[in-house]
Amino acid sequence: QTVLTQPPSVSGAPGQRVTISCTGSNSNIGAGYDVHWYQQLPGTAPRLLIFRNINRPSGVPDRFSGSKSGTSASLAITGLQAEDEADYHCQSYDSSLSAYVFGTGTEVTVL
Amino acid sequence: QVQLQESGPGLVKPSETLSLTCTVSGGSVSGGGYFWSWIRQLPGRGLEWIGYIYFSGTTNYNPSLKSRATISIDTSKNQLSLKLASVTAADTAIYYCARDDSHAWFDPWGQGMLVTVAS
Repeated sequence: QTVLTQPPSVSGAPGQRVTISCTGSNSNIGAGYDVHWYQQLPGTAPRLLIFRNINRPSGVPDRFSGSKSGTSASLAITGLQAEDEADYHCQSYDSSLSAYVFGTGTEVTVL
Repeated sequence: QVQLQESGPGLVKPSETLSLTCTVSGGSVSGGGYFWSWIRQLPGRGLEWIGYIYFSGTTNYNPSLKSRATISIDTSKNQLSLKLASVTAADTAIYYCARDDSHAWFDPWGQGMLVTVAS
């Protein structure tokens, strides 16, 4: 089940900034649970991009940044590059479902 | 560097049991205090967490699948396994195993295994 809502797609020209929203509720993001983000390049498995809302694993460019406020979180990509074309997923925990939950996924297109 | 690799049948008949194995290399399923999860990606993009296991055998499942899913671990082989009973076409998906870091996020992931449920 997907209880975190993301826009189906976002696009931008090379060098531009795009943001992806992840909207939850008071039983997940709004309850204080952290949000994590994954990048999924075509035909590959998801890769951790942001953990605990704002932290980047080693090797992830600082063009990627995360934020969280209230019942929502956002992923921003600045200086968009062709290699950033991928699906992006947010993830958190939901106390009413007693389960880890994922977002609906967003496809990023570089124009 | 820890790596995970899923294996098993790519085709399962309706009403039968799906069985997959995840082999961990570059690290031990018993070390580091990590949990190990199974996650699936249904057609069209959505990801769904199935459940996790700790090396002690402690498990937890997504309530939406709890009655059909069973996860086990073999520390001697450094493997975890997933069984999903009474499958239907709705269980057709790419199945991933992943390390559950800090009981919060998933890293790394296996490459994934496409399982199709069809007669």
